[in-house]
Amino acid sequence: GAGVSQSPSNKVTEKGKDVELRCDPISGHTALYWYRQSLGQGLEFLIYFQGNSAPDKSGLPSDRFSAERTGGSVSTLTIQRTQQEDSAVYLCASSLAATNEKLFFGSGTQLSVL
Amino acid sequence: ELKVEQNPLFLSMQEGKNYTIYCNYSTTSDRLYWYRQDPGKSLESLFVLLSNGAVKQEGRLMASLDTKARLSTLHITAAVHDLSATYFCAVDVTGSGSRLTFGEGTQLTVNP
Repeated sequence: GAGVSQSPSNKVTEKGKDVELRCDPISGHTALYWYRQSLGQGLEFLIYFQGNSAPDKSGLPSDRFSAERTGGSVSTLTIQRTQQEDSAVYLCASSLAATNEKLFFGSGTQLSVL
Repeated sequence: ELKVEQNPLFLSMQEGKNYTIYCNYSTTSDRLYWYRQDPGKSLESLFVLLSNGAVKQEGRLMASLDTKARLSTLHITAAVHDLSATYFCAVDVTGSGSRLTFGEGTQLTVNP
């Protein structure tokens, strides 16, 4: 596609429910990133995928968060048993390769946990 | 722990004026990025600075990197209203570009 596509654009859920956020990177981009943007914490790194290498999960805030990338393309970020502090904009980005490349960000998923 | 600090956090300026946004970081790195974010929108890459002394310019914006001072600047020349946005710097210490640490952002408002 022309850009990084994320869905849904908005998600409202109840505390304790699981949510799945989807990211379609730019075709041909081997690197994929998830970041979270919230008022209190700014922009935080969550996880990074590069080709077939093991992902860098060092930014995931708890074991309720997980992500996968199927076939080196689409990625899904899953949050289990959501909490109110999970409310944020979840941004996906991709790049041609990780090294020294600028990131192309999607429009994000606004997650609201009630 | 890497800290990235931007100054100022809020900037209101008049059209036609010049100003500089500063980005300080606490750990050695020679990779620094600038992004722009419009309200309700996602981030757009402005500059990628990959070495000490790197300078890049695009239109009314110019970014530079001093790795010894651990400082990057984003200079705005003759500001116009369309530059109103939030500007973020981000630092990579992994050497691979795999993980960026972002500053808090500078919210710029350019008034007519």
